[in-house]
Amino acid sequence: AQTVTQSQPEMSVQEAETVTLSCTYDTSESDYYLFWYKQPPSRQMILVIRQEAYKQQNATENRFSVNFQKAAKSFSLKISDSQLGDAAMYFCAYKLRGNQFYFGTGTSLTVIP
Amino acid sequence: DTAVSQTPKYLVTQMGNDKSIKCEQNLGHDTMYWYKQDSKKFLKIMFSYNNKELIINETVPNRFSPKSPDKAHLNLHINSLELGDSAVYFCASSQDWASESSYNEQFFGPGTRLTVL
Repeated sequence: AQTVTQSQPEMSVQEAETVTLSCTYDTSESDYYLFWYKQPPSRQMILVIRQEAYKQQNATENRFSVNFQKAAKSFSLKISDSQLGDAAMYFCAYKLRGNQFYFGTGTSLTVIP
Repeated sequence: DTAVSQTPKYLVTQMGNDKSIKCEQNLGHDTMYWYKQDSKKFLKIMFSYNNKELIINETVPNRFSPKSPDKAHLNLHINSLELGDSAVYFCASSQDWASESSYNEQFFGPGTRLTVL
């Protein structure tokens, strides 16, 4: 069974500081895709960043970057220069070929002004 | 331009009623999904349709019935509503079930908050 674990139900960060959200997953596959989604209070699910498992280089999108450790099955999200608008629930997701996603339980991020 | 839309956004109803939630996507995607997000924010897949064909049918009470009149629409009908059905229901779409590309990320609708009294 594919599982995605986010061990931090809640995190907080000072505005302008850096925070890292952790995610681990369990799979026996070698070819898969990983995603981080953000869900602000508006409820809208927004894709933040994605990573293909066959790529060794960590994905980066502006202030968001990942630390992908394939052997450890770890996919953490780093948010640099945190802004108030980053406050949201963050979901890690795993996808095999095809389109079935497996989501983690989420991490609620608070940004302190 | 709304990519994935759901109606209604809020739905309050009595136990035992039958209700429907509608979903439409204008992205030209082939695959659509329904998720349930409970009070603890846990997202659980319920159904997935690819080109109007059911491809994922998780363990969901048969009071829940999806209907896909065409590949741009996936509606969710719920019979005999129960208190435990209260949740936020998300519709999502992605390009193509069979594709192996990571560009097949899912695009989500705004969610429908269902409250059963």
